[in-house]
Amino acid sequence: DTGVSQDPRHKITKRGQNVTFRCDPISEHNRLYWYRQTLGQGPEFLTYFQNEAQLEKSRLLSDRFSAERPKGSFSTLEIQRTEQGDSAMYLCASSLTGRARTGELFFGEGSRLTVL
Amino acid sequence: GQQLNQSPQSMFIQEGEDVSMNCTSSSIFNTWLWYKQDPGEGPVLLIALYKAGELTSNGRLTAQFGITRKDSFLNISASIPSDVGIYFCAGQQSNTGKLIFGQGTTLQVKP
Repeated sequence: DTGVSQDPRHKITKRGQNVTFRCDPISEHNRLYWYRQTLGQGPEFLTYFQNEAQLEKSRLLSDRFSAERPKGSFSTLEIQRTEQGDSAMYLCASSLTGRARTGELFFGEGSRLTVL
Repeated sequence: GQQLNQSPQSMFIQEGEDVSMNCTSSSIFNTWLWYKQDPGEGPVLLIALYKAGELTSNGRLTAQFGITRKDSFLNISASIPSDVGIYFCAGQQSNTGKLIFGQGTTLQVKP
């Protein structure tokens, strides 16, 4: 399978714990995006990278959230001191710069977080 | 913040029927897109629209970019069971891949 891969698919944690999600994009894609999707809603933009550079962050991304893409390949999204309101599906997407300009993103299956 | 309003919220139709859904915004977008999400999967791009007034087809799907650049509709003709899923409209302003999604229209098709 050469699509976008996310791990873990499901994570259940207690409030206050830290969690980390990993995304492996399609191999030649230089753009990588994180979106968050809550039940019954569409995805909401969190942040995106071009290669290893983080170019934009949403106001939704509080200080407890940090995303990295250290070598311009895979990316991690860490949430510190989780809160129940962080419960959501975290979607990763990748693209090439030209395709991203046209809005064509390739999404992974998501990592579902449940905070108890 | 910016919002896209999709309607209807859900639809339950008979196989073979045509379906229409739309999306409106208070903001202007340079690109309108329609994505479909199946249960347990990420969204998949169906159709992209780049010019006001543009009408684009992809098989049984037809979508239009509103002339005001603030709305779009998606039609599905002769629905089949595999059309079941959630359809999202999305708008893009900045050509960066930062998309604003609607709340989705859930489609169920009865065989």
